[in-house]
Amino acid sequence: KAGVTQTPRYLIKTRGQQVTLSCSPISGHRSVSWYQQTPGQGLQFLFEYFSETQRNKGNFPGRFSGRQFSNSRSEMNVSTLELGDSALYLCASSLDRRRMEMNTEAFFGQGTRLTVV
Amino acid sequence: AQKITQTQPGMFVQEKEAVTLDCTYDTSDPSYGLFWYKQPSSGEMIFLIYQGSYDQQNATEGRYSLNFQKARKSANLVISASQLGDSAMYFCAMREGGTGANSKLTFGKGITLSVRP
Repeated sequence: KAGVTQTPRYLIKTRGQQVTLSCSPISGHRSVSWYQQTPGQGLQFLFEYFSETQRNKGNFPGRFSGRQFSNSRSEMNVSTLELGDSALYLCASSLDRRRMEMNTEAFFGQGTRLTVV
Repeated sequence: AQKITQTQPGMFVQEKEAVTLDCTYDTSDPSYGLFWYKQPSSGEMIFLIYQGSYDQQNATEGRYSLNFQKARKSANLVISASQLGDSAMYFCAMREGGTGANSKLTFGKGITLSVRP
């Protein structure tokens, strides 16, 4: 069974540009979450999508957005990039029902390393 | 206040010895779950072990066990018989119940473990 696939693995962008990251979850998983990982802030929750709807959202500005398609693949978009957006962006998928069970395991991809210059 | 606290500096352990990685948490929710993840240099977060707030026994998964002390709000990871491949960052994370979708994982800052041959 294929794991969570994130593309691209590495990305370099210039301040002010926008970027789109892609995540293909494990087959059958309908929940996809996104996290930002930086040395200073650690891992922070961005948002979660379930059945094409945003179900949960972290404390990030509106420049960060996402969507999920009918095949559960998800994309996240960051507009007007800032230097501080440089980070490892991790996607996690979960086998889930309408409300996540407490012990539901999140399966992570290898991440997309974004560098903003 | 931080929800997950991992304060140990980089940890070192001799191969084949046991090591304990500390984690304390803060929540007022009676229903929560605690996770430990391993992140090697490749970036992917690998699930290790789970402990539910209502679980009566400490969780074990192979060489990993969780020393859960609910009154002290601590959930320390014990790795027995350390191997060179255990060298990585280790993250403690919590999922809280509440009335939401439970999808968010809150992570600690992580601990770097180095296994010496």
